[in-house]
Amino acid sequence: NAGVTQTPKFQVLKTGQSMTLQCAQDMNHNSMYWYRQDPGMGLRLIYYSASEGTTDKGEVPNGYNVSRLNKREFSLRLESAAPSQTSVYFCASSEPAGGAETQYFGPGTRLLVL
Amino acid sequence: QKEVEQDPGPLSVPEGAIVSLNCTYSNSAFQYFMWYRQYSRKGPELLMYTYSSGNKEDGRFTAQVDKSSKYISLFIRDSQPSDSATYLCAMSARGSYIPTFGRGTSLIVHP
Repeated sequence: NAGVTQTPKFQVLKTGQSMTLQCAQDMNHNSMYWYRQDPGMGLRLIYYSASEGTTDKGEVPNGYNVSRLNKREFSLRLESAAPSQTSVYFCASSEPAGGAETQYFGPGTRLLVL
Repeated sequence: QKEVEQDPGPLSVPEGAIVSLNCTYSNSAFQYFMWYRQYSRKGPELLMYTYSSGNKEDGRFTAQVDKSSKYISLFIRDSQPSDSATYLCAMSARGSYIPTFGRGTSLIVHP
């Protein structure tokens, strides 16, 4: 049981390049999320998927797209990377526990855009 | 003003001390209160969660919620250097898919 896995662990991009961050969970959770974490800003929600087949914008969706490929996988795509997208990206999944959205996070992807 | 306020610290304490970490919030609809621990260069991990008001204890950790004051706390007894991490509070309303996170408090426990 690996929990939430993310690939790659680290990536360097040049401005304008594109890339896809991959996330998979093996806990049979319905909901999945993408966050970015920047110093002093905390965790900010980019997109989430409440269930397979649905996606919704979070607090900071501009410059990103997502795909809920199946129940296990949720990918985040940067079409044209910008230096402002330099950050640590976390994927999370959740299953309501008595109503609470208790989330399980992956190890993160560190992205540097030059 | 953010919905959830959390002092970023750092909070530095000696080993064995009792640590108190706190968050305040403004949304009365929040009913579920979570605490996450995040070690450097790792993802957050869920420590514990509580529903509505009251206390919940898990080993050296105690979570406390005061809904009347919109104030939650995490107490760590007999703190250890291995407790050094950033602690994030999070809250959600019933039926919401999206928790609201605090910005985290950095805790340093020195030997």
